[in-house]
Amino acid sequence: NAGVTQTPKFRVLKTGQSMTLLCAQDMNHEYMYWYRQDPGMGLRLIHYSVGEGTTAKGEVPDGYNVSRLKKQNFLLGLESAAPSQTSVYFCASSYGAGPGNTIYFGEGSWLTVV
Amino acid sequence: DAKTTQPTSMDCAEGRAANLPCNHSTISGNEYAYWYRQIHSQGPQYIIHGLKNNETNEMASLIITEDRKSSTLILPHATLRDTAVYYCIVRGYGGSQGNLIFGKGTKLSVKP
Repeated sequence: NAGVTQTPKFRVLKTGQSMTLLCAQDMNHEYMYWYRQDPGMGLRLIHYSVGEGTTAKGEVPDGYNVSRLKKQNFLLGLESAAPSQTSVYFCASSYGAGPGNTIYFGEGSWLTVV
Repeated sequence: DAKTTQPTSMDCAEGRAANLPCNHSTISGNEYAYWYRQIHSQGPQYIIHGLKNNETNEMASLIITEDRKSSTLILPHATLRDTAVYYCIVRGYGGSQGNLIFGKGTKLSVKP
């Protein structure tokens, strides 16, 4: 019953360092998403993928890269971390497109850039 | 996606039903009403969604008015663990995939 799993849960980075957040889902979902949540801002979509080998930009893609080499995994990379990227990151997935397909979220990854 | 209006906060006694209203007066015919909740420091948790008909699952019931302009989420027997921020979201086919617009939500406090 894992659903959507994110690693790591907590990380502190220095400005300029790089890191990768890993998201794994065991529901055989085609669609996967990365969001960030900041106080008072709600969820904002960073990047998403509509299937293995595909990626697309969301609302706030700058400073992030993603890859979907396997259907069950969606990686979010920060090449050169900045303090503005301090946030809580949520991965999510859904079976298909369209509003009738429920989006399920992971538990979040807390990132602090100092 | 259409906008929603929810009360800022609500209280509910433990064991009683919690009824959370949502106004979505500009909802269009192919847009769904979704409910998520977020317990402090956790990821958004899906609760239920509906298009036209009332829906029920193991967590809650969703009552949608006949004109679809509002809906009510019902937690039949609220527990302390149901204390969370509840978001009513309208999802349609517009915008990029996965674009969920979370408003301020309703902070539900379940009290002993």
